[in-house]
Parts: sequence; C-alpha cells; structure tokens
Amino acid sequence: GNSVTQMEGPVTLSEEAFLTINCTYTATGYPSLFWYVQYPGEGLQLLLKATKADDKGSNKGFEATYRKETTSFHLEKGSVQVSDSAVYFCAHRANAGGTSYGKLTFGQGTILTVHP
Amino acid sequence: DTEVTQTPKHLVMGMTNKKSLKCEQHMGHRAMYWYKQKAKKPPELMFVYSYEKLSINESVPSRFSPECPNSSLLNLHLHALQPEDSALYLCASSQGRGGLTEAFFGQGTRLTVV
Repeated sequence: GNSVTQMEGPVTLSEEAFLTINCTYTATGYPSLFWYVQYPGEGLQLLLKATKADDKGSNKGFEATYRKETTSFHLEKGSVQVSDSAVYFCAHRANAGGTSYGKLTFGQGTILTVHP
Repeated sequence: DTEVTQTPKHLVMGMTNKKSLKCEQHMGHRAMYWYKQKAKKPPELMFVYSYEKLSINESVPSRFSPECPNSSLLNLHLHALQPEDSALYLCASSQGRGGLTEAFFGQGTRLTVV
C-alpha cells in the first residue's frame, strides 16, 4: 500500500543550525511528493513539491530532492530561523488511476522548534 | 489568489445539534477535499469531490454528510456528532485529482462537540 514515513520528532535546534527531516515513501507507480508546513493554530501550507525523479523542490531556503532509487524526499535547510518553528508533513499523491487516484497520503509530521 | 476560505473558524455544538461547515475557493479548481485532523496527528482524508461528484468516501460515518453545490463550494453537514469527533476540519482544493497538481488547504474549522 501507499505510505509515508517521517523521522520521529520533536526536533529542537538553535537558530542558524542546519536542518534535515527525513522522509521515505512506499507507493505504486510514480507519485508526486510534497512538504507541507503547519504553524500553530493554522491550516497546512504547501512548502515545496517535486513531481518526478531527480526533481528538486525549493522554497524559502528549504529544499528537497525526489530520490526514486531510495524512495526518499528529505527536507533540508541550511540555516533555520525561530520563525521556522512549526510542524512539517511529508506527503505523496498518486498520479495514475485506481482507487487511490488523487489521494494525498501524509507522514506523521515532525515538530520543529528553533530557539534563539 | 491561492486561497481556500473556511467558515466558521471555530464551532461548538451539542450532540443533538445540526450544523454545517463551509468551504469556498475561486481558483477554478475542480477537485475539493475534506480532511479531519486530531491534535498532533496528520490530516486524515474523509471525502473527495471531482467535478462536483463524490469520488472518494473513506468510510466516514453517516453523521458527516458532504455536499458540493457548485464547483466553488463544498459543505460538510454535521448531525448527531460524538465528542470524539472534535477535531480540526480542513478543506482543500486542487486543479484536478491528478497528483501533478498540488492541493491548497484552508485554515480549518476547529470543532468541539460537547
């Protein structure tokens, strides 16, 4: 079946530290991959996406590369800020038909806290 | 405009009440979704509408009744809910069901059932 596995959190970092949040997936076919961010009390915001192997998604200093060979989509940022404190969700979405067509499957989420 | 608007933001209802959650988007998206999110958990898919027709129902109890009156609006009618239904209800939309198109989420309705 389709699933997404994220590294367990919470993750606590000091400002300007390097961030990696691991994400691996299982899926039939070639899904699109996404990172969403959720700030306290808010809905989900799309952070970045990649739709095919070797694509790199990037936004606001965050990056993730679609690695088909390792079925991974790890999130990285070179220098985190206090304002990056949030919950980060990795997700995939089936591209082809079938009962899962269009279904967005989320990982468990990783809580990131950045201290000044 | 990449906005999905949900109303109300907060809702408290009794177990015998009937209420509705509303969702609106003006991006011309033809797929709309309801998700339920419990605290510290990922969103769980409830329903998918594609071109105003129900495409996916993830075995949601009948006390939740979705409705898509037109391509811009999505409602979730609530009746005889239980306290365990208290959660953040998120609406999302995308250009189509295809995975190449990203889903945009609203801010959610925080529902408390008393």
